[in-house]
Amino acid sequence: GQNIDQPTEMTATEGAIVQINCTYQTSGFNGLFWYQQHAGEAPTFLSYNVLDGLEEKGRFSSFLSRSKGYSYLLLKELQMKDSASYLCSLGGSTLGRLYFGRGTQLTVWP
Amino acid sequence: GAVVSQHPSRVICKSGTSVKIECRSLDFQATTMFWYRQFPKKSLMLMATSNEGSKATYEQGVEKDKFLINHASLTLSTLTVTSAHPEDSSFYICSARDTGLVDYEQYFGPGTRLTVT
Repeated sequence: GQNIDQPTEMTATEGAIVQINCTYQTSGFNGLFWYQQHAGEAPTFLSYNVLDGLEEKGRFSSFLSRSKGYSYLLLKELQMKDSASYLCSLGGSTLGRLYFGRGTQLTVWP
Repeated sequence: GAVVSQHPSRVICKSGTSVKIECRSLDFQATTMFWYRQFPKKSLMLMATSNEGSKATYEQGVEKDKFLINHASLTLSTLTVTSAHPEDSSFYICSARDTGLVDYEQYFGPGTRLTVT
């Protein structure tokens, strides 16, 4: 099975940097994903880590340490539109199957 | 990017009736699609894996007789909520992978908001 833990809520101001942490336990590792979800909408893909290290994509970066069961999503130069829920998820044994954490609701203040 | 559509986007039904939700991959083929449900302010919960031409695989605790899944073609999967009750009210989201690609990315539909009165 999978167990994913991430903070419920975070706040930050426009232009700042925020780091959203995710810890997990899993019986079989098949990659770690980060998704963004605005209220009432479907999730959109942000990043994928399967090897240890940092993956950078524009203002968003994601880090993975498999030995520690730990990942974080780093958001730079925050904008108001970044206010959303950020979902840490683990890949299942079948490609495409995802198991989601509860999500971290990020609120960006002006 | 690839597009997945869902229909309807919102549906209200009476308790005891059945509701069908469609999930379509618009510009790619998907032998496998996935159904999730999400309660307000909660995360997505994987319900089942829909397999084209064969039976769906349900996650533990999901009633297969209540949530009927049919994946009749490479671009369409349907979820039927049978004998719906108010506790089935939820946001249902499907996702699909492009079968022709060997990568990890999958695409989510826009979701269907079901309200059972």
